[in-house]
Amino acid sequence: NAGVTQTPKFQVLKTGQSMTLQCAQDMNHEYMSWYRQDPGMGLRLIHYSVGAGITDQGEVPNGYNVSRSTTEDFPLRLLSAAPSQTSVYFCASRGGGSYTFGSGTRLTVV
Amino acid sequence: GDSVTQMEGPVTLSEEAFLTINCTYTATGYPSLFWYVQYPGEGLQLLLKATKADDKGSNKGFEATYRKETTSFHLEKGSVQVSDSAVYFCALFSGGYNKLIFGAGTRLAVHP
Repeated sequence: NAGVTQTPKFQVLKTGQSMTLQCAQDMNHEYMSWYRQDPGMGLRLIHYSVGAGITDQGEVPNGYNVSRSTTEDFPLRLLSAAPSQTSVYFCASRGGGSYTFGSGTRLTVV
Repeated sequence: GDSVTQMEGPVTLSEEAFLTINCTYTATGYPSLFWYVQYPGEGLQLLLKATKADDKGSNKGFEATYRKETTSFHLEKGSVQVSDSAVYFCALFSGGYNKLIFGAGTRLAVHP
């Protein structure tokens, strides 16, 4: 089925560890983005990309890196995980004025 | 900057009750407005949208009208079901910032 695929669904990290959250879409959307969801705060934009080779920061970019080497993939990297990064992460792509969200990655940093 | 404010939850209703979830926004220009729904353990799904003033979005018995004069986009449903239990997010698309801006979300629990 066409859509946005995120892996993994769950992850537990120790403070200081690094990891990459994967996001792939097969709808040929130029725009992709990463959000984090925290209780009482809705979804906040971390980084976004308007096309391969182009990325920009959102509201809460600190502690996260992104790159966009292909239209399909938009990985999110945590270089040194901190407990404050415990959250649910959603990848989304945009095409035709509508957003499609992945099913999320629940990350716990201990 | 642009922002969205939603009524706080949780909202608890009995089946067949009337639902209203308030949403107001602050934005420059005329943003597109959305309601998203998140069922337990799932991602966000678009519920309905409106792209200009006085537009009414509707889907699955839910409705919301884009009111420019009150900068509001309240979600309503005439008769809720247990299956409507979820978290509902109001959002606007900010062209100036090229991003979707969300409210805090409202949890709805519907009991038989």
